[in-house]
Amino acid sequence: EIQLVESGGDLVQPGGSLRLSCAASGFTFSSYAMSWVRQAPGKGLQWVSSISGSAGSAYSADSVKGRFTISRDNSKNTLYLQMTSLRAEDTAVYYCAKEMGLSAGSGTQGFEVWGQGTMVTVSS
Amino acid sequence: IHMAQSPASLPASVGDRVTITCRASQSINKYLHWYQQKPGKAPKLLIYAASSLHAGVPSRFSGGGSGTDFTLTISSLQPEDFATYYCQQSYITPFTFGGGTKVEIK
Repeated sequence: EIQLVESGGDLVQPGGSLRLSCAASGFTFSSYAMSWVRQAPGKGLQWVSSISGSAGSAYSADSVKGRFTISRDNSKNTLYLQMTSLRAEDTAVYYCAKEMGLSAGSGTQGFEVWGQGTMVTVSS
Repeated sequence: IHMAQSPASLPASVGDRVTITCRASQSINKYLHWYQQKPGKAPKLLIYAASSLHAGVPSRFSGGGSGTDFTLTISSLQPEDFATYYCQQSYITPFTFGGGTKVEIK
């Protein structure tokens, strides 16, 4: 069974940093692109960032570019999101999601499996 | 690419046939996917590539369209289908989602 378990969410002050992790199991992690998608309280879904299976390519939303960095450790079957210069508008549940193929970016086939999410609250 | 989803709210009854529409601001070929989300839960993939049913999804769900106009149809609404549905394009980054359609009990 494919499982994605996020962790690392917390209450952090504006300007602070946080690193989210997503532990994957039940599939060959290095063979699939992975993504982060977030959802602010009571709002819709927003794509944050994606990374290819080999970590050779990565893409991010303009709203987080320069502040968030997606990475992965295929030896540990773990996806990361390093978040810096956090703002109140980054407050959301952050989901990691498995894609259907190795490549990330344009032309992919959707987010096949999602984790349960981890809450990030940015507030003073 | 902006994804316009309608309606935002859809009151319906068990057994109804319901259709949700998603319109892209430019052609996205068939790079359009549909998700179902229930309160407090993660989204689940229903349909990918506009019309392909994801594994384990009941056949009462179907998707259609290409280019800019897409539909998600539930042929006979079941109690477990009351939820919020989102479309998403993966034609080009940044990937974007529609605003969601909440299917509610009439």
